[in-house]
Amino acid sequence: SQQGEEDPQALSIQEGENATMNCSYKTSINNLQWYRQNSGRGLVHLILIRSNEREKHSGRLRVTLDTSKKSSSLLITASRAADTASYFCATTSGGSYIPTFGRGTSLIVHP
Amino acid sequence: NAGVTQTPKFQVLKTGQSMTLQCAQDMNHEYMSWYRQDPGMGLRLIHYSVGAGITDQGEVPNGYNVSRSTTEDFPLRLLSAAPSQTSVYFCASSYSRSGAGELFFGEGSRLTVL
Repeated sequence: SQQGEEDPQALSIQEGENATMNCSYKTSINNLQWYRQNSGRGLVHLILIRSNEREKHSGRLRVTLDTSKKSSSLLITASRAADTASYFCATTSGGSYIPTFGRGTSLIVHP
Repeated sequence: NAGVTQTPKFQVLKTGQSMTLQCAQDMNHEYMSWYRQDPGMGLRLIHYSVGAGITDQGEVPNGYNVSRSTTEDFPLRLLSAAPSQTSVYFCASSYSRSGAGELFFGEGSRLTVL
């Protein structure tokens, strides 16, 4: 069963705009990861954030984690058409370190 | 390095047929896993392994078998295919034995069961 749930399910923006997607989860986590999936391809890891961290950056990506609200957000700044993809959050929680994936956010960036 | 390699990329089966999806990784990862991806369902874990000779069930294991005789290979067997097994299958591996670290995914195997 899904632990993390992404919101929105779909997002359509213009090139140059920022894209923000959120992940909410139900139980306390060990860590949370974000992945990208281009159409017809496998998933690619973007960022891992641990439960004791609040923010991480990687290039144009910024991930925040609010454990009190049980939520995380992924911000893509100055989006490009090449950012068009589905984005998934994956959480590990409790005694299990096996990642559980959400249903994903489909992002379309129009040139 | 090739990373995680899955074969075949596409397969069509008839109900009741059996087949094996192959997965190989050349990163010396202890942890390997199989997911299926269905529209609107995200990825669901089928089976996983934390090392050669060790396998365990995930969320949706029924109808699938796995074995792990070497560190490199983790094949997924469908014993008697059913239309409900029509899906895209992904193999993933991790340097973390527990699976807690970054997962490296293959490109997927698209299976259709008629």
